[in-house]
Amino acid sequence: GESVGLHLPTLSVQEGDNSIINCAYSNSASDYFIWYKQESGKGPQFIIDIRSNMDKRQGQRVTVLLNKTVKHLSLQIAATQPGDSAVYFCAENLNFGNEKLTFGTGTRLTIIP
Amino acid sequence: NAGVTQTPKFRILKIGQSMTLQCTQDMNHNYMYWYRQDPGMGLKLIYYSVGAGITDKGEVPNGYNVSRSTTEDFPLRLELAAPSQTSVYFCASSRAVGERPSQFFGPGTRLTVL
Repeated sequence: GESVGLHLPTLSVQEGDNSIINCAYSNSASDYFIWYKQESGKGPQFIIDIRSNMDKRQGQRVTVLLNKTVKHLSLQIAATQPGDSAVYFCAENLNFGNEKLTFGTGTRLTIIP
Repeated sequence: NAGVTQTPKFRILKIGQSMTLQCTQDMNHNYMYWYRQDPGMGLKLIYYSVGAGITDKGEVPNGYNVSRSTTEDFPLRLELAAPSQTSVYFCASSRAVGERPSQFFGPGTRLTVL
């Protein structure tokens, strides 16, 4: 079946800098995407989502960009803090009415003090 | 709201033993899910339910069973535990009517089968 993949398994960023986490998806029919944050020993936590009819959505310190032409999704975290250290997963939903999500492997973000 | 709660947090089983992982949500969500997460990997869907009395297989259902007798509860049953079932298990729920299909996760159950 289709899967969501990530370009980099690990990313280290200096505290205060901006982080960009990338995700490639392979199914052009996917129309809903979510970014999750998973801290050590905890369940995934919803960060932000985006529908395929949008190319950008902003939250608090986070922005998700969607490029449907190249099937690419990114999560930008502004002014990273130590609490941002976690594994970040992207997930795709194959048409809005289908409740299943397909998760990527994840990127581990480490914030360097 | 407590959100999604799971019990137990940790469990060690011997090969061939059985157990039930409990999951409860108080958000009146229609949909519930069970995932497993192996070390360094993403989440794989075991079973899901679109409402009370309705369940369906996900990507990796072998060795597991589920039931959904109420909206709130979605227990996962392991009948004959095997070392390959050593993993962290997450329960999730989503979508009251009219909401986006974003899933909300419980804290997980770490299971070791020896």
